[in-house]
Amino acid sequence: QVQLVQSGAEVKKPGASVKVSCKASGYTFSTYAMHWVRQAPGQRLEWMGWINAGDGNTKYSEKFQGRVTITRDTSATTVYMELSSLRSEDTAVYYCAKDGGYVPSRLDYWGQGTLVTVSS
Amino acid sequence: DIQMTQSPSTLSASVGDRVTITCRASQSISRWLAWYQQKPGKAPKLLIYEASRLEGGVPPRFSGSASGTEFTLTISSLQPDDSATYYCQEYVTYPLTFGGGTKVEIK
Repeated sequence: QVQLVQSGAEVKKPGASVKVSCKASGYTFSTYAMHWVRQAPGQRLEWMGWINAGDGNTKYSEKFQGRVTITRDTSATTVYMELSSLRSEDTAVYYCAKDGGYVPSRLDYWGQGTLVTVSS
Repeated sequence: DIQMTQSPSTLSASVGDRVTITCRASQSISRWLAWYQQKPGKAPKLLIYEASRLEGGVPPRFSGSASGTEFTLTISSLQPDDSATYYCQEYVTYPLTFGGGTKVEIK
């Protein structure tokens, strides 16, 4: 069965960077894209970007362009999301989510989420 | 960016009631719409995609429909396990955008 297991919670200071991992299993990793979506407290879900797990191509939301980098390690079937220049507004739960087939598409499996807290 | 507007933001209904949630897109998205269920402290779960296709394993009391830029999620007979927040999401273009959510409470 498809599983996406994310790394643990992080606490960072403003201006720092955070890197969250998402280990995929149960499907052919390189066949499907992986998205990152975040949810700030009490806010709606917000799409950040995706990576083609096969060729490594990426696409980012303009809101995060220049601050977010999504990479993958095919041998480890793991996708990473790094967000830099953190500010308090970046405090949120970050999710990886597998694309359902033809990017863009529905998000058919989600990781459990990683809470990132930005605080001085 | 495409704006997705959900209504109502909260609703309270009794077990067995028929419940309807609406999502309106700011422009045409054809049928490229998904519905998710999210319970507190958990990740969203895909319920419906392409406006009306039921994801595998999802109970048939959930259904979706579309009319122009207005989309509807219906729960035909509300169950206690359906207490959650529901989100719509368009996937016709980037950035992918989500509705503001509808919190469904059981009376």
